[in-house]
Amino acid sequence: RKEVEQDPGPFNVPEGATVAFNCTYSNSASQSFFWYRQDCRKEPKLLMSVYSSGNEDGRFTAQLNRASQYISLLIRDSKLSDSATYLCVVTPWNQGGKLIFGQGTELSVKP
Amino acid sequence: NAGVTQTPKFQVLKTGQSMTLQCAQDMNHEYMSWYRQDPGMGLRLIHYSVGAGITDQGEVPNGYNVSRSTTEDFPLRLLSAAPSQTSVYFCASSYSRQGGSPLHFGNGTRLTVT
Repeated sequence: RKEVEQDPGPFNVPEGATVAFNCTYSNSASQSFFWYRQDCRKEPKLLMSVYSSGNEDGRFTAQLNRASQYISLLIRDSKLSDSATYLCVVTPWNQGGKLIFGQGTELSVKP
Repeated sequence: NAGVTQTPKFQVLKTGQSMTLQCAQDMNHEYMSWYRQDPGMGLRLIHYSVGAGITDQGEVPNGYNVSRSTTEDFPLRLLSAAPSQTSVYFCASSYSRQGGSPLHFGNGTRLTVT
């Protein structure tokens, strides 16, 4: 089983839709969680950190469920510019700083 | 502030050749790492370093060497290039050596091995 797994998609949604991505992780000792965004052939960029209590940044909401070992990203009112690949990242507590990436979920927002 | 600088942007090698991918950061980050990205595989960790003089292996270290003689630089060496090493390589750094802070990525190196 991979350490971090995501639904690869692609998710094809119309503008204005709400879309949610899930990411599961296998190491229960994981300590830090992030969502990154990657545009085609570019480097990944931090979208948001994920905090235990859940957090929101504009149209984006991130949630963490430690009991079930998953994190989620909700995008409301999708824009064309949200089209990208979304990467889930997990830092295991007991692996000295390694950050493990999921394989990414592709989102395509259509007019 | 340049952030994380990777060179070269593109490279074509023949099988068996060696080369070094350069990575430098000017943010005084302790943590630096190398990833490769292949279609459908996501980013896979090759090697990482939590400070000068300290390196460790990631998920896919075979065929690659690293060293960290300074805080700023973290070069990745391909010892004898193979077609399986055709990929996009990203260098990344972060403030926290425990991995609790976000990564800053370089622009990537697109490597083709023929």
